[in-house]
Amino acid sequence: QKEVEQDPGPLSVPEGAIVSLNCTYSNSAFQYFMWYRQYSRKGPELLMYTYSSGNKEDGRFTAQVDKSSKYISLFIRDSQPSDSATYLCAMKDLQGGSEKLVFGKGTKLTVNP
Amino acid sequence: GAGVSQTPSNKVTEKGKYVELRCDPISGHTALYWYRQSLGQGPEFLIYFQGTGAADDSGLPNDRFFAVRPEGSVSTLKIQRTERGDSAVYLCASSLFGSYNEQFFGPGTRLTVL
Repeated sequence: QKEVEQDPGPLSVPEGAIVSLNCTYSNSAFQYFMWYRQYSRKGPELLMYTYSSGNKEDGRFTAQVDKSSKYISLFIRDSQPSDSATYLCAMKDLQGGSEKLVFGKGTKLTVNP
Repeated sequence: GAGVSQTPSNKVTEKGKYVELRCDPISGHTALYWYRQSLGQGPEFLIYFQGTGAADDSGLPNDRFFAVRPEGSVSTLKIQRTERGDSAVYLCASSLFGSYNEQFFGPGTRLTVL
């Protein structure tokens, strides 16, 4: 079993739809939770970064973390064609002093105009 | 300002050859990371530098892989005796020191081993 599980999709939605992306994890030591967006042939760019359980909102994006269920989500409201990309969840385990990120597989999203 | 840059953007080599991949981090970032991303997968951690020293190299797959950061800025990932399975996008990221700081990624080097 991988430490971080993410449904790779692909996911296709019409413009304006609400998109829900999810990851589950098995390592209780994960303390920081991130969502990255990756356009084709580009490096990942950070969208959301959370530490504790609960919700964090930034514009059309909302990140949710439920540490008790080991489950994180990203919601995109009023999705736009420019949101079409691969979305990667990532988590940080600080054991041993490492700052490494552990990523999910990524979910490929297409928003159709 | 300038982001993380990586050279070359693409590298094609033959099985058995040696390759070097370069990363220029954001100025002032003391932490530098290398990840490898295979097709259809998320990035996988290789090595993390804090300054000049490798603080965590647990992700290096075997002794054919080696990375250096001699002056605490530019880093080079070195792969000896390349194998077809080494074909992937090699991503570099940098950050300020501290767990809450964002890792900024470069565009990656696409390595193809024929």
